[in-house]
Amino acid sequence: EAGVAQSPRYKIIEKRQSVAFWCNPISGHATLYWYQQILGQGPKLLIQFQNNGVVDDSQLPKDRFSAERLKGVDSTLKIQPAKLEDSAVYLCASSLERVDTQYFGPGTRLTVL
Amino acid sequence: AQSVTQLDSQVPVFEEAPVELRCNYSSSVSVYLFWYVQYPNQGLQLLLKYLSGSTLVESINGFEAEFNKSQTSFHLRKPSVHISDTAEYFCAVMYSGGGADGLTFGKGTHLIIQP
Repeated sequence: EAGVAQSPRYKIIEKRQSVAFWCNPISGHATLYWYQQILGQGPKLLIQFQNNGVVDDSQLPKDRFSAERLKGVDSTLKIQPAKLEDSAVYLCASSLERVDTQYFGPGTRLTVL
Repeated sequence: AQSVTQLDSQVPVFEEAPVELRCNYSSSVSVYLFWYVQYPNQGLQLLLKYLSGSTLVESINGFEAEFNKSQTSFHLRKPSVHISDTAEYFCAVMYSGGGADGLTFGKGTHLIIQP
């Protein structure tokens, strides 16, 4: 069974530029999460989708971050404009059901200069 | 706000010695508990989880953790570690009943196995 796929794996941008990350969850997984992991810290939830609806986006900085999950499968996370403090690894995870094991992708390492 | 505390940022132990990685969480009526492991240059992998039933849960590679509701803890233990256990270990909690199911993670504990 294929795991959670993410691209790109690495991205370097200048501050105030925009960037987008893509996630393809495990087939059949209805729940999808985006986490932000800053160096030296544990992952922090940004947004949770159930199919193509948002369950929780309370920790998403909505002035610069946006996310969508079209057709309840793939998802994109966008940052516009990026700030230095956005440098982090962005992790996508999916689960079959809401209270269930979350399977994580390899992450996208973002560096903002 | 809900929180997870991993008191030790780094734990060095000798090979074949026992180890305990500590995890405490802020009190809540109902929680689900997880330990994830991140090996060097790899993604997060589930090590073990407690959803219900027996408070002692085990992984396939010899780790175990016990859910202690009165002490709000979920410490991870292994009686004899190997070099291959060198990794970052994250404790995570899902607080149920709030409508969202995202995980709240601790800051991680780096387990260093010394030969």
